[in-house]
Amino acid sequence: GAGVSQTPSNKVTEKGKYVELRCDPISGHTALYWYRQSLGQGPEFLIYFQGTGAADDSGLPNDRFFAVRPEGSVSTLKIQRTERGDSAVYLCASSLFPQQTQYFGPGTRLTVL
Amino acid sequence: GESVGLHLPTLSVQEGDNSIINCAYSNSASDYFIWYKQESGKGPQFIIDIRSNMDKRQGQRVTVLLNKTVKHLSLQIAATQPGDSAVYFCAERRIGGGADGLTFGKGTHLIIQP
Repeated sequence: GAGVSQTPSNKVTEKGKYVELRCDPISGHTALYWYRQSLGQGPEFLIYFQGTGAADDSGLPNDRFFAVRPEGSVSTLKIQRTERGDSAVYLCASSLFPQQTQYFGPGTRLTVL
Repeated sequence: GESVGLHLPTLSVQEGDNSIINCAYSNSASDYFIWYKQESGKGPQFIIDIRSNMDKRQGQRVTVLLNKTVKHLSLQIAATQPGDSAVYFCAERRIGGGADGLTFGKGTHLIIQP
């Protein structure tokens, strides 16, 4: 079956601009996670949704980052006033239920010029 | 600081040999551990996991060992193949308490020599 998909695969933006990154989880998966991966590093947890609600947003670096999952399926990660330090690969993962295996998408590579 | 780390950034092995990738963790509250494989330009791919009430778990060509006494985790890959070339990450999670995000180490780059 289809895995986690993310769009766009690449996004180039200018400093100060607003960006939205989309994640389509595996169908039927109730839990959805966002991670950020800088070059040469492991992924870092950002936020986790159970259904429509953010169950844990402790990894969001500051209030420029926000994520939604209005219908409990697709999620959008929103970054306001982007900075060069936001450049990274943003990964999405989903699991059937919380505390179960997380399956990752291919990521969106964000470059802030 | 990080609660999960890797002993070696790069590991080079001959094709056909067995590979052992090590990982140390420091968070004693972690009781679930996972190994992921990440190929260039792709997302992490689940390999195998283990809970803290176990010390060994086997999959197809892979074995994960957990030593809670010294907080050490290892991934053994039997008969390494060219397709095993990738970066391998161990990750941990605390079960319960509402925290479900994984904590990853920096990763080990496995290089297969022909």
